[in-house]
Amino acid sequence: EAQVTQNPRYLITVTGKKLTVTCSQNMNHEYMSWYRQDPGLGLRQIYYSMNVEVTDKGDVPEGYKVSRKEKRNFPLILESPSPNQTSLYFCASSLSLTGDNSPLHFGNGTRLTVT
Amino acid sequence: DAKTTQPNSMESNEEEPVHLPCNHSTISGTDYIHWYRQLPSQGPEYVIHGLTSNVNNRMASLAIAEDRKSSTLILHRATLRDAAVYYCILRVYDNNNDMRFGAGTRLTVKP
Repeated sequence: EAQVTQNPRYLITVTGKKLTVTCSQNMNHEYMSWYRQDPGLGLRQIYYSMNVEVTDKGDVPEGYKVSRKEKRNFPLILESPSPNQTSLYFCASSLSLTGDNSPLHFGNGTRLTVT
Repeated sequence: DAKTTQPNSMESNEEEPVHLPCNHSTISGTDYIHWYRQLPSQGPEYVIHGLTSNVNNRMASLAIAEDRKSSTLILHRATLRDAAVYYCILRVYDNNNDMRFGAGTRLTVKP
Protein backbone atom coordinates (compact mmCIF):
# COMPACT_ATOMS: atom_id res chain seq x y z
CA GLU A 1 0.00 0.00 0.00
CA ALA A 2 1.31 3.45 -0.97
CA GLN A 3 1.81 5.47 2.16
CA VAL A 4 3.75 8.00 4.16
CA THR A 5 4.69 6.65 7.56
CA GLN A 6 5.58 8.83 10.50
CA ASN A 7 6.88 7.69 13.84
CA PRO A 8 6.11 8.11 16.61
CA ARG A 9 2.43 9.12 16.58
CA TYR A 10 2.69 10.67 20.03
CA LEU A 11 5.74 11.99 21.85
CA ILE A 12 6.12 13.76 25.16
CA THR A 13 9.56 15.11 25.98
CA VAL A 14 11.30 17.71 28.07
CA THR A 15 12.95 20.95 27.04
CA GLY A 16 16.39 20.50 25.55
CA LYS A 17 16.29 16.75 24.95
CA LYS A 18 17.14 16.06 21.33
CA LEU A 19 14.56 14.11 19.37
CA THR A 20 13.95 12.83 15.86
CA VAL A 21 10.64 12.25 14.14
CA THR A 22 10.98 9.83 11.28
CA CYS A 23 9.16 9.98 7.96
CA SER A 24 9.30 7.34 5.24
CA GLN A 25 7.46 7.00 1.93
CA ASN A 26 7.27 3.94 -0.33
CA MET A 27 6.19 5.69 -3.54
CA ASN A 28 9.62 6.71 -4.87
CA HIS A 29 8.60 10.35 -4.52
CA GLU A 30 11.19 13.04 -5.16
CA TYR A 31 9.57 15.76 -3.08
CA MET A 32 9.08 15.60 0.69
CA SER A 33 8.06 18.22 3.19
CA TRP A 34 7.38 18.80 6.87
CA TYR A 35 4.52 20.88 8.26
CA ARG A 36 3.35 21.83 11.69
CA GLN A 37 -0.30 22.45 12.48
CA ASP A 38 -1.37 24.73 15.29
CA PRO A 39 -4.88 25.91 16.23
CA GLY A 40 -5.77 29.07 14.36
CA LEU A 41 -2.58 29.00 12.29
CA GLY A 42 -3.30 26.20 9.88
CA LEU A 43 -0.54 24.16 8.29
CA ARG A 44 2.84 25.86 8.09
CA GLN A 45 5.79 24.45 6.21
CA ILE A 46 9.00 23.82 8.15
CA TYR A 47 11.40 22.34 5.60
CA TYR A 48 11.13 20.68 2.24
CA SER A 49 13.32 18.57 -0.02
CA MET A 50 13.26 18.42 -3.78
CA ASN A 51 15.38 15.28 -3.93
CA VAL A 52 18.19 13.40 -2.21
CA GLU A 53 20.70 15.76 -0.57
CA VAL A 54 18.58 18.81 -1.52
CA THR A 55 16.74 20.53 1.31
CA ASP A 56 15.45 24.05 1.86
CA LYS A 57 13.72 26.13 4.48
CA GLY A 58 10.00 26.64 4.57
CA ASP A 59 8.13 29.31 6.47
CA VAL A 60 9.03 28.30 10.03
CA PRO A 61 12.43 26.50 10.02
CA GLU A 62 13.86 27.91 13.27
CA GLY A 63 14.67 25.20 15.79
CA TYR A 64 14.45 22.34 13.29
CA LYS A 65 16.84 20.39 11.11
CA VAL A 66 16.22 17.85 8.38
CA SER A 67 18.26 15.50 6.24
CA ARG A 68 17.59 13.61 3.00
CA LYS A 69 20.27 10.96 2.61
CA GLU A 70 17.92 8.50 0.93
CA LYS A 71 14.94 9.13 -1.29
CA ARG A 72 12.44 7.41 0.96
CA ASN A 73 13.38 8.99 4.32
CA PHE A 74 13.11 12.57 5.53
CA PRO A 75 13.61 12.80 9.30
CA LEU A 76 12.80 15.93 11.29
CA ILE A 77 15.31 16.71 14.03
CA LEU A 78 14.78 18.95 17.03
CA GLU A 79 18.23 19.48 18.55
CA SER A 80 16.96 21.33 21.63
CA PRO A 81 13.17 21.25 21.78
CA SER A 82 11.31 24.07 23.48
CA PRO A 83 7.67 24.30 24.63
CA ASN A 84 6.77 26.50 21.64
CA GLN A 85 7.48 23.49 19.43
CA THR A 86 4.57 21.65 20.97
CA SER A 87 2.45 20.97 17.91
CA LEU A 88 1.02 18.44 15.49
CA TYR A 89 3.54 17.59 12.79
CA PHE A 90 2.86 16.19 9.33
CA CYS A 91 5.21 14.79 6.76
CA ALA A 92 4.13 14.85 3.12
CA SER A 93 5.50 13.67 -0.20
CA SER A 94 4.68 14.02 -3.87
CA LEU A 95 6.06 12.67 -7.10
CA SER A 96 7.90 15.81 -8.11
CA LEU A 97 8.10 19.53 -7.54
CA THR A 98 6.75 20.55 -10.91
CA GLY A 99 3.76 19.70 -13.01
CA ASP A 100 0.16 19.18 -12.09
CA ASN A 101 0.30 15.47 -11.38
CA SER A 102 1.73 15.93 -7.96
CA PRO A 103 -0.87 15.63 -5.25
CA LEU A 104 0.61 15.64 -1.78
CA HIS A 105 0.39 12.46 0.28
CA PHE A 106 0.41 13.07 4.02
CA GLY A 107 1.33 10.93 6.97
CA ASN A 108 -1.03 10.55 9.92
CA GLY A 109 0.82 13.03 12.06
CA THR A 110 3.00 13.16 15.15
CA ARG A 111 1.66 14.95 18.18
CA LEU A 112 4.62 16.38 20.08
CA THR A 113 4.44 17.84 23.56
CA VAL A 114 7.48 19.59 25.02
CA THR A 115 7.32 20.34 28.73
CA ASP B 1 1.28 34.73 -3.16
CA ALA B 2 -2.06 33.80 -4.59
CA LYS B 3 -4.53 33.24 -1.78
CA THR B 4 -7.87 31.54 -1.36
CA THR B 5 -10.93 32.47 0.68
CA GLN B 6 -13.32 29.89 2.05
CA PRO B 7 -16.22 30.02 4.51
CA ASN B 8 -15.20 28.92 7.98
CA SER B 9 -17.93 26.31 8.29
CA MET B 10 -20.82 24.69 6.47
CA GLU B 11 -23.49 22.19 7.37
CA SER B 12 -25.13 19.55 5.27
CA ASN B 13 -27.64 16.77 5.70
CA GLU B 14 -26.63 13.23 5.00
CA GLU B 15 -27.37 11.98 1.48
CA GLU B 16 -27.69 15.54 0.14
CA PRO B 17 -25.25 17.29 -2.19
CA VAL B 18 -22.76 19.75 -0.76
CA HIS B 19 -21.24 22.69 -2.61
CA LEU B 20 -18.09 24.04 -0.97
CA PRO B 21 -17.06 27.41 -2.45
CA CYS B 22 -13.59 28.89 -2.80
CA ASN B 23 -12.60 32.33 -4.04
CA HIS B 24 -9.20 32.89 -5.59
CA SER B 25 -9.45 36.25 -7.31
CA THR B 26 -5.66 36.69 -7.67
CA ILE B 27 -5.09 33.33 -9.38
CA SER B 28 -2.55 33.36 -12.18
CA GLY B 29 -2.67 31.42 -15.42
CA THR B 30 -0.36 28.64 -14.25
CA ASP B 31 -1.93 28.04 -10.84
CA TYR B 32 -3.66 24.71 -10.37
CA ILE B 33 -6.62 24.55 -7.99
CA HIS B 34 -6.24 21.70 -5.52
CA TRP B 35 -8.63 20.49 -2.84
CA TYR B 36 -7.65 18.48 0.20
CA ARG B 37 -9.61 17.40 3.21
CA GLN B 38 -8.58 16.53 6.74
CA LEU B 39 -10.61 14.02 8.66
CA PRO B 40 -10.40 14.10 12.46
CA SER B 41 -7.08 12.79 13.79
CA GLN B 42 -5.65 12.28 10.31
CA GLY B 43 -3.37 14.04 7.89
CA PRO B 44 -4.78 15.99 4.96
CA GLU B 45 -5.96 13.86 2.07
CA TYR B 46 -5.95 14.81 -1.61
CA VAL B 47 -9.43 15.14 -3.10
CA ILE B 48 -9.21 16.62 -6.58
CA HIS B 49 -7.49 19.25 -8.68
CA GLY B 50 -7.99 21.13 -11.93
CA LEU B 51 -6.76 23.99 -14.08
CA THR B 52 -9.56 25.29 -16.28
CA SER B 53 -12.06 22.55 -17.01
CA ASN B 54 -14.43 20.93 -14.59
CA VAL B 55 -13.13 17.65 -13.18
CA ASN B 56 -14.75 14.55 -11.77
CA ASN B 57 -13.33 11.66 -9.81
CA ARG B 58 -14.64 9.00 -7.48
CA MET B 59 -14.57 11.33 -4.50
CA ALA B 60 -15.97 14.60 -5.82
CA SER B 61 -16.42 17.04 -8.67
CA LEU B 62 -14.65 20.34 -9.15
CA ALA B 63 -16.44 23.16 -10.93
CA ILE B 64 -14.18 26.02 -12.01
CA ALA B 65 -15.60 29.41 -12.98
CA GLU B 66 -14.88 30.60 -16.49
CA ASP B 67 -12.67 33.43 -15.21
CA ARG B 68 -11.03 30.99 -12.76
CA LYS B 69 -11.51 33.38 -9.87
CA SER B 70 -13.62 30.91 -7.98
CA SER B 71 -14.26 27.20 -7.79
CA THR B 72 -16.67 24.85 -6.08
CA LEU B 73 -16.04 21.40 -4.69
CA ILE B 74 -19.13 19.25 -5.05
CA LEU B 75 -19.82 16.21 -2.93
CA HIS B 76 -22.76 14.58 -4.67
CA ARG B 77 -24.16 12.72 -1.67
CA ALA B 78 -22.68 13.67 1.66
CA THR B 79 -22.09 10.91 4.17
CA LEU B 80 -21.14 11.14 7.82
CA ARG B 81 -17.63 10.14 6.80
CA ASP B 82 -17.34 13.31 4.73
CA ALA B 83 -17.31 15.46 7.87
CA ALA B 84 -13.89 17.10 7.70
CA VAL B 85 -12.03 20.34 7.11
CA TYR B 86 -11.79 21.06 3.38
CA TYR B 87 -8.88 23.08 2.04
CA CYS B 88 -8.79 24.90 -1.28
CA ILE B 89 -5.20 25.53 -2.36
CA LEU B 90 -3.43 26.99 -5.37
CA ARG B 91 -0.35 25.20 -6.64
CA VAL B 92 1.99 26.96 -9.03
CA TYR B 93 2.86 24.74 -12.00
CA ASP B 94 6.60 25.28 -11.90
CA ASN B 95 6.90 25.58 -8.14
CA ASN B 96 4.58 23.14 -6.48
CA ASN B 97 6.23 23.94 -3.16
CA ASP B 98 4.44 27.26 -3.17
CA MET B 99 1.31 26.08 -1.40
CA ARG B 100 -0.58 27.73 1.39
CA PHE B 101 -3.05 25.84 3.54
CA GLY B 102 -5.49 28.32 5.02
CA ALA B 103 -8.07 27.60 7.70
CA GLY B 104 -10.32 25.71 5.31
CA THR B 105 -14.04 25.00 5.65
CA ARG B 106 -15.23 22.75 8.43
CA LEU B 107 -18.04 20.62 7.03
CA THR B 108 -20.55 19.14 9.44
CA VAL B 109 -22.83 16.40 8.12
CA LYS B 110 -26.05 15.84 10.02
CA PRO B 111 -27.77 12.45 9.97
